[in-house]
Amino acid sequence: AQSVTQLDSQVPVFEEAPVELRCNYSSSVSVYLFWYVQYPNQGLQLLLKYLSGSTLVKGINGFEAEFNKSQTSFHLRKPSVHISDTAEYFCAVSTNAGKSTFGDGTTLTVKP
Amino acid sequence: GAGVSQSPSNKVTEKGKDVELRCDPISGHTALYWYRQSLGQGLEFLIYFQGNSAPDKSGLPSDRFSAERTGGSVSTLTIQRTQQEDSAVYLCASRSRQGVETQYFGPGTRLLVL
Repeated sequence: AQSVTQLDSQVPVFEEAPVELRCNYSSSVSVYLFWYVQYPNQGLQLLLKYLSGSTLVKGINGFEAEFNKSQTSFHLRKPSVHISDTAEYFCAVSTNAGKSTFGDGTTLTVKP
Repeated sequence: GAGVSQSPSNKVTEKGKDVELRCDPISGHTALYWYRQSLGQGLEFLIYFQGNSAPDKSGLPSDRFSAERTGGSVSTLTIQRTQQEDSAVYLCASRSRQGVETQYFGPGTRLLVL
């Protein structure tokens, strides 16, 4: 079985500040890691994913995440946020068996 | 269409009635997932299909919930004798190959049980 914990339910930041959204996971098997974003009144879309190789992955809109196997973490970062980054962010893990598990989400609110 | 579609987009029903929610995945995608997103909550896994079979039904909350997929394409999630706690957004996603590929989500069906 696997689980995902998003450590912060809400993250308020000012525009142009850096942000980190934290995600920890547990699994008895190898997993693949994803971050999805849900803008207000829209569906979920992929932000970035880690499958293998380099532990630092870059996604859309200037976001990046680093896979840390020893700490079982996959934190999402952006050096300078914009108002338009205000959204709900979901961390997810998936196994080769096909099952996906999502975290409870982190609401990022960017203030002017 | 290029994306995952779901219908209806909104459904209001009375407690005790049955509802059917439909998902049309991206053509050629073999894996299909159903999730539930309650207000202010994360995504709750319900069931997933690989082709027409459902290897994992562990997320279905009760025996009032069932799902089927025919022809390796369209899927229907049925909720019998709806309860107010069933009110949520029901999301469908499809994926081209199990495990590593990205899930593509539909817009969801907002279900309100009065």
